[in-house]
Amino acid sequence: ELKVEQNPLFLSMQEGKNYTIYCNYSTTSDRLYWYRQDPGKSLESLFVLLSNGAVKQEGRLMASLDTKARLSTLHITAAVHDLSATYFCAVDGGNQFYFGTGTSLTVIP
Amino acid sequence: NAGVMQNPRHLVRRRGQEARLRCSPMKGHSHVYWYRQLPEEGLKFMVYLQKENIIDESGMPKERFSAEFPKEGPSILRIQQVVRGDSAAYFCASSPPVTQETQYFGPGTRLLVL
Repeated sequence: ELKVEQNPLFLSMQEGKNYTIYCNYSTTSDRLYWYRQDPGKSLESLFVLLSNGAVKQEGRLMASLDTKARLSTLHITAAVHDLSATYFCAVDGGNQFYFGTGTSLTVIP
Repeated sequence: NAGVMQNPRHLVRRRGQEARLRCSPMKGHSHVYWYRQLPEEGLKFMVYLQKENIIDESGMPKERFSAEFPKEGPSILRIQQVVRGDSAAYFCASSPPVTQETQYFGPGTRLLVL
């Protein structure tokens, strides 16, 4: 079974700071997805990464994929309070997505 | 274009009762997936369906759980004789026939078993 690990699990960061969330997975896959989930809500699609070296940016978030290292990163630049949420990476395993454990991000003033 | 719809949003059942969760995929989407999320955890795959076909049910518990996606109407996840451990958020996702698209998630059904 494909395993997906995220770290850190919990992240508390000050507004204006930068940080990176890491997503490692155990088996070859060329497709990786990032989602955001607010408490009690559904998952919102953030990024779709479909090839080695793919980099996508939206606002203060930037995601990248290294399929050789089986690693994706979600970089946060100059964090603001609105980014507080849980972030999940998911790897396409064919018939299903395999989700990471999530990173709970809290941005404090 | 309405998103993925699920109902009910919240469902309370007593142990031993049945729970029926419904999912209508986005327009034009023919692939439906069900996931379960326990508190403070990620989503775990349960089943993948296309119209009138179960493609992959490797994540479904062997007993009490079943899923269908009929030719007409929503996909249904059915849990018979619910137990407290079934309490979770159940999310449905859909995707179009073309692969490599992301999966679009519904708002979820939060099941509480008393």
